[in-house]
Amino acid sequence: QQQVKQSPQSLIVQKGGIPIINCAYENTAFDYFPWYQQFPGKGPALLIAIRPDVSEKKEGRFTISFNKSAKQFSLHIMDSQPGDSATYFCAASKGGKLIFGQGTELSVKP
Amino acid sequence: GAVVSQHPSWVICKSGTSVKIECRSLDFQATTMFWYRQFPKQSLMLMATSNEGSKATYEQGVEKDKFLINHASLTLSTLTVTSAHPEDSSFYICSARGTGEPYFGPGTRLTVT
Repeated sequence: QQQVKQSPQSLIVQKGGIPIINCAYENTAFDYFPWYQQFPGKGPALLIAIRPDVSEKKEGRFTISFNKSAKQFSLHIMDSQPGDSATYFCAASKGGKLIFGQGTELSVKP
Repeated sequence: GAVVSQHPSWVICKSGTSVKIECRSLDFQATTMFWYRQFPKQSLMLMATSNEGSKATYEQGVEKDKFLINHASLTLSTLTVTSAHPEDSSFYICSARGTGEPYFGPGTRLTVT
């Protein structure tokens, strides 16, 4: 019930492409769904987050789509750039306690 | 935005010794702090949750006598790895939460030789 499943494990796109990363959760008590970006040797940085009463949220080039009935959410990165190459983690939270997905290593080729 | 610092950023210690890692919230009061561990190429795994002034709550499988957590003030939590062994080598990351969502520190790389 505490698991968050993330896919794909790795992703390669060309510059300008739209990588999509998917996550699924089980526990309906989760009330906050953030996405983090992590570069090697650094802590995770919050990209964008959504609450379950909203189906979509957009901030800059990042969009979260949220499907409450399916217990799934996804991250879309518009007009991806080589600087977006990093590991992305979805997470689900209740009370600030975060359960992370397995991570997706994204590579954006020039 | 809110800033969380960790000290040291990296540490090397000998097997059998203890290491203390500090996590500070610099511009807000953190009523709750979380400690995560991340092995190379893996996800972040929650180790424990601590509330200021009370005992930490450890996740299943985490040895509370080995990973001592103290949250003595609203801006400081410490994680002490006691009798460290090479298998404890990892990236330790804290997050701090006040009234809103948690903010992460930059992490501490621990290498036990």
